[in-house]
Amino acid sequence: DVVMTQSPLSLPVTLGQPASISCRSSQSLVFSDGKTYLSWFQQRPGQSPRRLIYEVSHRDSGVPDRFSGSGSGTDFTLKITRVQAEDVAIYYCMQGAHWPPWTFGQGTKVEIK
Amino acid sequence: EVQLVDSGGGLVEPGGSLRLSCSASGFAFSSYSIHWVRQVRGKGLVWVSRINTSGTVPYYADSVKGRFTISRDNARNTVYLQMNSLTAGDTALYYCVRGSFDVWGRGTMVTVSS
Repeated sequence: DVVMTQSPLSLPVTLGQPASISCRSSQSLVFSDGKTYLSWFQQRPGQSPRRLIYEVSHRDSGVPDRFSGSGSGTDFTLKITRVQAEDVAIYYCMQGAHWPPWTFGQGTKVEIK
Repeated sequence: EVQLVDSGGGLVEPGGSLRLSCSASGFAFSSYSIHWVRQVRGKGLVWVSRINTSGTVPYYADSVKGRFTISRDNARNTVYLQMNSLTAGDTALYYCVRGSFDVWGRGTMVTVSS
């Protein structure tokens, strides 16, 4: 199984400041079709997860442009340019290149300092 | 509105069974695979099972293989997860999720306890 490792697991951020979350996979996430299947999810307190980013860098509809995804192969990053109060959540990366199983990172908790 | 409504959770004794349902609306249900993902309170997301569009190819996590069965009824826009031989380790909030993980249900809670 592909292991997804996120860091940090806890990220205190000042409002308006940037935040960055790293996600590393134990194998390359490039699929046979040439695409890289790495997604990011946001789970606000008491809510279901919501997909923010798919295929490394494609933002889902309605996701603010302060969220961006980057990376390749086994190293990926989710960045928030200016953290807002509504960004307080747990963020998960997930790989969809080597399945089953589909595997998630441990989650990174973003909170306001 | 694109929506998944998961239901069927509850309290069950160890060794018991439960059947979860996932009802879809607002999209061409038969064109999408469906997953179940679970989450223990305060913990992370864990993929459980997936069924393809026609219902002919199921996949399972090792932890539930042989105990859980996923199926679908495209005429009813519904996916089912039959859970047998339940243990305390299966206690979690179960989400049904559309194929590319872009649409999530609100979750249905399963508690296995005597």
